[in-house]
Amino acid sequence: GAGVSQSPSNKVTEKGKDVELRCDPISGHTALYWYRQSLGQGLEFLIYFQGNSAPDKSGLPSDRFSAERTGGSVSTLTIQRTQQEDSAVYLCASSAGLAGGIPNTGELFFGEGSRLTVL
Amino acid sequence: DQQVKQNSPSLSVQEGRISILNCDYTNSMFDYFLWYKKYPAEGPTFLISISSIKDKNEDGRFTVFLNKSAKHLSLHIVPSQPGDSAVYFCAATSGTYKYIFGTGTRLKVLA
Repeated sequence: GAGVSQSPSNKVTEKGKDVELRCDPISGHTALYWYRQSLGQGLEFLIYFQGNSAPDKSGLPSDRFSAERTGGSVSTLTIQRTQQEDSAVYLCASSAGLAGGIPNTGELFFGEGSRLTVL
Repeated sequence: DQQVKQNSPSLSVQEGRISILNCDYTNSMFDYFLWYKKYPAEGPTFLISISSIKDKNEDGRFTVFLNKSAKHLSLHIVPSQPGDSAVYFCAATSGTYKYIFGTGTRLKVLA
């Protein structure tokens, strides 16, 4: 597709269940990001991928959170044993990444997000 | 530690007037700054950016000003239009992959 695609757009789950959120970045974009926005909060960095590797996982809130990226394209964010505080909009973004260590225009292209509600 | 701060959670402006959104940062290593706009139920979209080697960048009705000594940037929208009503996020990076976002300012342009 032309833009970043995320699914599901909405997910309601019960506390303790596992959820998977999917992101399909713009074709050819090597960099992929996961952010989340909790109610009334800004965009919180979770993890960054360059290709299939994740050099920075520092934003993942706990070991219940994990993410992977395969084929340098689709990424999945998995939350195990969900808690109510995990309720948020999870945003994925992609960019053309770094070229010679210099960022591109700096533009991140965001998907519409996956709204997660943990009851 | 909030490295990028937007201290005004909301702002209301009359249509046709100037909107000024402010952003402060604490990390002197930041050298590239961006503004994103977000409508409800949509992802943020890029609006305008500025490199630390500049103090002003203009694109149509949007101008971003950077004051490095004060670690402050601002976004000016002139003239403001009702379609500008959205949440505006500033973001900063130190020339690497990591973009740090502020908490956003909700702009409401009154017709």
